Amino acid sequence: GQQLNQSPQSMFIQEGEDVSMNCTSSSIFNTWLWYKQDPGEGPVLLIALYKAGELTSNGRLTAQFGITRKDSFLNISASIPSDVGIYFCAGRNYGQNFVFGPGTRLSVLP
Amino acid sequence: DGGITQSPKYLFRKEGQNVTLSCEQNLNHDAMYWYRQDPGQGLRLIYYSQIVNDFQKGDIAEGYSVSREKKESFPLTVTSAQKNPTAFYLCASSPFGGQINSNQPQHFGDGTRLSIL
Repeated sequence: GQQLNQSPQSMFIQEGEDVSMNCTSSSIFNTWLWYKQDPGEGPVLLIALYKAGELTSNGRLTAQFGITRKDSFLNISASIPSDVGIYFCAGRNYGQNFVFGPGTRLSVLP
Repeated sequence: DGGITQSPKYLFRKEGQNVTLSCEQNLNHDAMYWYRQDPGQGLRLIYYSQIVNDFQKGDIAEGYSVSREKKESFPLTVTSAQKNPTAFYLCASSPFGGQINSNQPQHFGDGTRLSIL
C-alpha cells in the first residue's frame, strides 16, 4: 500500500527552539492529519486539515495543508520537554483509507 | 470518560498459537480499524469495519482475522499463519463509516504489544 514520506526522520533541538517538519505524498489528498505518539501509547490527534492552503493552529502547533495537496507541514514554536515524541502525518483522498507516514522523532535537549 | 480501550497491554504468543486482542470503544463510533506498527514504519492497516457485521481487509490482512458483532467491539485474532506477529497493534475508531463522505479523523487506543515466546 501507499505510504507517505516524512522529513526529517529525527531531530534533536534545544528547549525553546522552533521545530519544522513536513510530509509528502505522490498522490493528492483532501484531508491531512497530524498525530503525536508518546512511547508505549497510541497516537493522539493534534490537528486536522481539510482544505488546500488551510493554516490551522493548536496552541504552539501550527499545521498547513500544502497548496499542491501533496504535502503538509507542522511547526512547533518554543519547544518544551513534553514535546518529545514521534509525530505522524496521515492523509487520504475521497473514498480511500488514511495512509500514514513513518514519523518524525523529536528529542528536546534541556 | 469516553475512549478506546485496548487489552491486554502486553501479550506473548507461543508458536502455533492463536491470540486475540481486544478493542472496545464507548464513543458510539461507526467505524473501527486495526493497524500494525513496526519500528521506523508508518501504521499499516490490517482490517477495518464500517458497520456492525461487516468488515474489509486492509493492506496486510494475511494471518489475521476479525469480527464485528457489536458496535462497541472489534477484536483482532492473530493466527498461527502470521509468521512475524511481533509488533505494536493499534485499534482506532471514527464517527462515520462512510468512506466517501467522511473525513473524520481516527482516534486511537493505547495499543497492545505482542511478542513471541
